[in-house]
Amino acid sequence: DGGITQSPKYLFRKEGQNVTLSCEQNLNHDAMYWYRQDPGQGLRLIYYSQIVNDFQKGDIAEGYSVSREKKESFPLTVTSAQKNPTAFYLCASSRPAAPGSVLTFGAGCWITVL
Amino acid sequence: KQEVTQIPAALSVPEGENLVLNCSFTDSAIYNLQWFRQDPGKGLTSLLLIQSSQREQTSGRLNASLDKSSGRSTLYIAASQPGDSATYLCAVPHPRNRDDKIIFGKGTRLHILP
Repeated sequence: DGGITQSPKYLFRKEGQNVTLSCEQNLNHDAMYWYRQDPGQGLRLIYYSQIVNDFQKGDIAEGYSVSREKKESFPLTVTSAQKNPTAFYLCASSRPAAPGSVLTFGAGCWITVL
Repeated sequence: KQEVTQIPAALSVPEGENLVLNCSFTDSAIYNLQWFRQDPGKGLTSLLLIQSSQREQTSGRLNASLDKSSGRSTLYIAASQPGDSATYLCAVPHPRNRDDKIIFGKGTRLHILP
């Protein structure tokens, strides 16, 4: 079945540590997204990428970095500069060539700071 | 700047009732509107996608309507069941460019009482 796989599901980050979240999709979607979800604040866009080797900052990109070397993969690194990383992180993908194509989500990853 | 609002933030209703969830958006120049369901600690599942040229979409007991001119969408759930308990989110693409950036509401937490 086609879908989006995020790993790990849970991650404990030590202060000053960089951690990387994996996101892989086999839907042949061109666009991929990373969202952060905090309780009561809805989803906020961190980074998005419409094509390979290109990505743009979202609303809360500070303290995060991404790469898009392959169409199927869009890893997110939470750097030591992100002082409050505790949240639920969601990866998504879509086919933007058809405006408003269905946005498909992964199962998410919880990050907790030790 | 597009803003998406969902009211109420939380709703509890007895099993078997029909109910309506509301979503409003400030800029009516949208390509489409999508409704999602999110169970606690899980990713988002797409329920319905309404294109800007459509007025409604139906899937089983769910019916979503779209009124672009008034900036509103409703999600109607018929004969509610305890399994419908979840958070429901609506989302619209950013209307003023084609980067497929998607704006989410904060969601309505629905609890169906057995």
